Amino acid sequence: EAGVAQSPRYKIIEKRQSVAFWCNPISGHATLYWYQQILGQGPKLLIQFQNNGVVDDSQLPKDRFSAERLKGVDSTLKIQPAKLEDSAVYLCASSLDRQRSEVTNEKLFFGSGTQLSVL
Amino acid sequence: LAKTTQPISMDSYEGQEVNITCSHNNIATNDYITWYQQFPSQGPRFIIQGYKTKVTNEVASLFIPADRKSSTLSLPRVSLSDTAVYYCLVGDISGAGSYQLTFGKGTKLSVIP
Repeated sequence: EAGVAQSPRYKIIEKRQSVAFWCNPISGHATLYWYQQILGQGPKLLIQFQNNGVVDDSQLPKDRFSAERLKGVDSTLKIQPAKLEDSAVYLCASSLDRQRSEVTNEKLFFGSGTQLSVL
Repeated sequence: LAKTTQPISMDSYEGQEVNITCSHNNIATNDYITWYQQFPSQGPRFIIQGYKTKVTNEVASLFIPADRKSSTLSLPRVSLSDTAVYYCLVGDISGAGSYQLTFGKGTKLSVIP
């Protein structure tokens, strides 16, 4: 079974530039998540999609971050303009499906992430 | 809000059993306890999940006392390849009111030859 695919693996940009990350979840997984992981910390959820709809984007800095999952499969996360504090690993994860009653059982599958350095 | 507390770091020699305890005093009645493992330059990977008593799989065991306010991940006979960060997760209500699994800082396990 193919895992969660992410690209690029690494990205270096200057502050105020824009950047985009791409994620392809495991086939058949309805739920997709984007996490931000700053060095030395645990992953922090940015946005969660159920198919092509947003379930939770309460921690997404919407003035500069945007994400979409137009066809309910692939997803892109964009930062525009980037700030120094956006330097982090951006992880994409997917899960099979998510009903509220089953949320405590959900098993997340993560990609290897995109390491972003903002100079 | 549900919250977990676990040691920041642990050291162990190869071949020893390692026990990492996590406190989750406000765990919800219907909530499971889930553990993930993260190697450098990789995303977290699911290890084990349980609701009560003991769960065992090919990788680890999870012990959960009756009050469920804590849990202990047990790794038998660790090797150098078990060096990683281990996260204990329980559910939490996000700012949007949805139920989420929230990562803390985890426990960094270093296995020494």
